[in-house]
Amino acid sequence: GIQVEQSPPDLILQEGANSTLRCNFSDSVNNLQWFHQNPWGQLINLFYIPSGTKQNGRLSATTVATERYSLLYISSSQTTDSGVYFCAVGNNDMRFGAGTRLTVKP
Amino acid sequence: ETGVTQTPRHLVMGMTNKKSLKCEQHLGHNAMYWYKQSAKKPLELMFVYSLEERVENNSVPSRFSPECPNSSHLFLHLHTLQPEDSALYLCASSQDSLLVAGGPDTQYFGPGTRLTVL
Repeated sequence: GIQVEQSPPDLILQEGANSTLRCNFSDSVNNLQWFHQNPWGQLINLFYIPSGTKQNGRLSATTVATERYSLLYISSSQTTDSGVYFCAVGNNDMRFGAGTRLTVKP
Repeated sequence: ETGVTQTPRHLVMGMTNKKSLKCEQHLGHNAMYWYKQSAKKPLELMFVYSLEERVENNSVPSRFSPECPNSSHLFLHLHTLQPEDSALYLCASSQDSLLVAGGPDTQYFGPGTRLTVL
């Protein structure tokens, strides 16, 4: 099956800092999504982005499908951004990475 | 609020018990999913239902038995579980099954049921 690797595994930021999270995958896919799981376990879909670039407020994502990676950018981070960010990829299934645990300190 | 609800939110059961997890989606979606999230492991897709028919079963032990009586409701029946089955069980829905449509489709997740098996 498709392998999904996310980096870094853990990230600690001061409020207001910017960050970049990376997702590498081992094969071509037609589905790639970024999720945020808050400290209470709720998963929220951030982006559906199998290719190209999208922006939503302080978050943006870019997927370079030919090079099999995706990046999630968080600008001007806030404490509410804390949680785990997952990348999920697939064609006829969904494989999740292990996630990046982000802690934003006030 | 994602439009997907799950009950109960927490469940503690013994290995000989039988219990059920319930998921309901209020989004008019056609596909529903069960995921398992164990500590220190990636989320695992367990079952996929599309238009109330099971389309995926990822080698899940038979002690987990899903049921989808209609497109809005999904159950996961549990019996004779093992302590290693303790995990967060997440339900999700999407407009169409990502397994059939191949995307694009956004999944909406419920808050999960945290299950502890003693």
